[in-house]
This record gives sequence, structure tokens and C-alpha cells, in this order.
Amino acid sequence: DAGITQSPRHKVTETGTPVTLRCHQTENHRYMYWYRQDPGHGLRLIHYSYGVKDTDKGEVSDGYSVSRSKTEDFLLTLESATSSQTSVYFCAISESSNRGYTFGSGTRLTVV
Amino acid sequence: AQRVTQPEKLLSVFKGAPVELKCNYSYSGSPELFWYVQYSRQRLQLLLRHISRESIKGFTADLNKGETSFHLKKPFAQEEDSAMYYCALRGFRNEKLTFGTGTRLTIIP
Repeated sequence: DAGITQSPRHKVTETGTPVTLRCHQTENHRYMYWYRQDPGHGLRLIHYSYGVKDTDKGEVSDGYSVSRSKTEDFLLTLESATSSQTSVYFCAISESSNRGYTFGSGTRLTVV
Repeated sequence: AQRVTQPEKLLSVFKGAPVELKCNYSYSGSPELFWYVQYSRQRLQLLLRHISRESIKGFTADLNKGETSFHLKKPFAQEEDSAMYYCALRGFRNEKLTFGTGTRLTIIP
């Protein structure tokens, strides 16, 4: 087990509804990241966290917010889901800034 | 700004033939380069990083600062190498990885 889980694994939601995705880690790693994966775009960083209550924006942060109230959980919220947010969302963790990432299994989100 | 380019979206190679997946980067300082792999229905996993200079599953990659490249190579392709491959870069004192758009490698039996 990689020590990182994402929930839900799949979700279908309607346009305009709020959605929250959860990333949970058991590794006590400081850094956590949310990426989205889209064909032709690869992985793009949405938001990341470098500690409890410390977060920063990535390159595609519009329409998304995050929260990290404790080390093990990093929540990604789509405030009002749009069809352009249909994607596969990956969470990743890293022990320090100079280490590689460990990825979660992903959440496939469909906005209809 | 940091940027990673993987010029091939798709690459098909016969089993036993050599494989080269291209990766070029743009970064003004000293980068740290990675290759990640995603097998079908599995999570992304680290394949190798240039700092460790190791060979994983027969793959190697050399950082060429003159050509700003970090191509992934394997002398003899195997069917289990079929996967999506991502090149990634991290700049100095930067916590974030920037990924390329990925190359889907298919090994033809």
C-alpha cells in the first residue's frame, strides 16, 4: 500500500454543484499536491500544500479551492462544477521538496 | 518559468527493438529531472530521477544540459513496457513538479 488514498474513486455530478475530493495520507509527509490529468495536457498542478493551513496555487487553480486542516488530509473543492472540470484528479505526496512524489490512484470526475 | 516538452504523443515499437522517449526542458537554472510511468489501470509511479543515475527495469536517462534533454532509453523493448510515460522537472528550491504532456508507448509483439 502506497500510504495515500483518494475518495471517491469515481463521481458524476451536475453542472453548478459543489464537489469535494479527498486525499488522505498515512505517511506524515509535509507536501501534498492536486493535479488534473487531461489528454494532450498531461498533468497540471491545481493547488499544493507545504504544511497544515499552508497552501498555494498551481497553474490551473481557477474554480478550485483547497484546505488542509491536518497533516493527513488535503481536500480539493470545485466550488461550482463545470463541464471543463471533467477530468481525472490525482493527489500526490512528498516527504520533502527534493524528493519524488507518491501518487494516489486518482478520482475520475464527470460533470454533466 | 519551467517547461517540459515531450514531442511524441504516441510511440509504437516492436518487441526487442530499442526504445527512446524524448524529453526536452526549459529552465534557466539547474533542474532536477524525473521520469514517471503509468501502467494501465495503475497509479503513476516514479521510474527514475537523474540525480540517482540508476537503471530501473532496464531504462536509463541521461541529463544533457547542452541540449536541455532527458531522453529515456531502453535497449530492448518488452511487452510489459507498454504504458504512459511522463517527464517531469523541478527547479532549484521549488517544491513543485512540472510535467510534460506524456508519451503513450505501445510495444508491438
